[in-house]
Amino acid sequence: GQQLNQSPQSMFIQEGEDVSMNCTSSSIFNTWLWYKQDPGEGPVLLIALYKAGELTSNGRLTAQFGITRKDSFLNISASIPSDVGIYFCAGQGGTSYGKLTFGQGTILTVHP
Amino acid sequence: NAGVTQTPKFQVLKTGQSMTLQCAQDMNHEYMSWYRQDPGMGLRLIHYSVGAGITDQGEVPNGYNVSRSTTEDFPLRLLSAAPSQTSVYFCASSYPRLAGGTGELFFGEGSRLTVL
Repeated sequence: GQQLNQSPQSMFIQEGEDVSMNCTSSSIFNTWLWYKQDPGEGPVLLIALYKAGELTSNGRLTAQFGITRKDSFLNISASIPSDVGIYFCAGQGGTSYGKLTFGQGTILTVHP
Repeated sequence: NAGVTQTPKFQVLKTGQSMTLQCAQDMNHEYMSWYRQDPGMGLRLIHYSVGAGITDQGEVPNGYNVSRSTTEDFPLRLLSAAPSQTSVYFCASSYPRLAGGTGELFFGEGSRLTVL
């Protein structure tokens, strides 16, 4: 089946630093989604990408849909303590009616 | 806005007991799914449904049953609980891209299950 490799698995950074994480796939995806999960909550969508090469921003967050359609990255600029959580990438193939494949997640810790 | 509602939020079972995790959504989404989340494993798909009366297996279906009699509800049944099923379970729904939607999965708050 489809597999997503997300890296890094965890990050420990100082407040104010920039963060970068990425996902690579063995298959082509038509949609890339980035989610954040706060402790004790369900994941919440941060950014959705629908076209190869697309670069989309949401405040301090920027994500890109790779040209090969097999990868995506998420950048967070000027991190703040509330950025703490688990970040997941998710991809969807063209024939998949709703099914998403998730990466293993990146655990982000921000030290004040 | 209720969104996706899961009950119960917490449950402790003994090995061999059965139970049902309830999931309801009020967004008229055709697609519904159940994931389990374990440390270091991400979110793994258990079962999913593309509409009322239609269900299919995901990545880790063994030990779980589902049914979809209405668009709104998608319960997950544990037939005979095992310690390996200790996990956090998430129900999610979406309006798929192939149906003209965004494909975004909306998640419930999760159900934390412990099997002793």
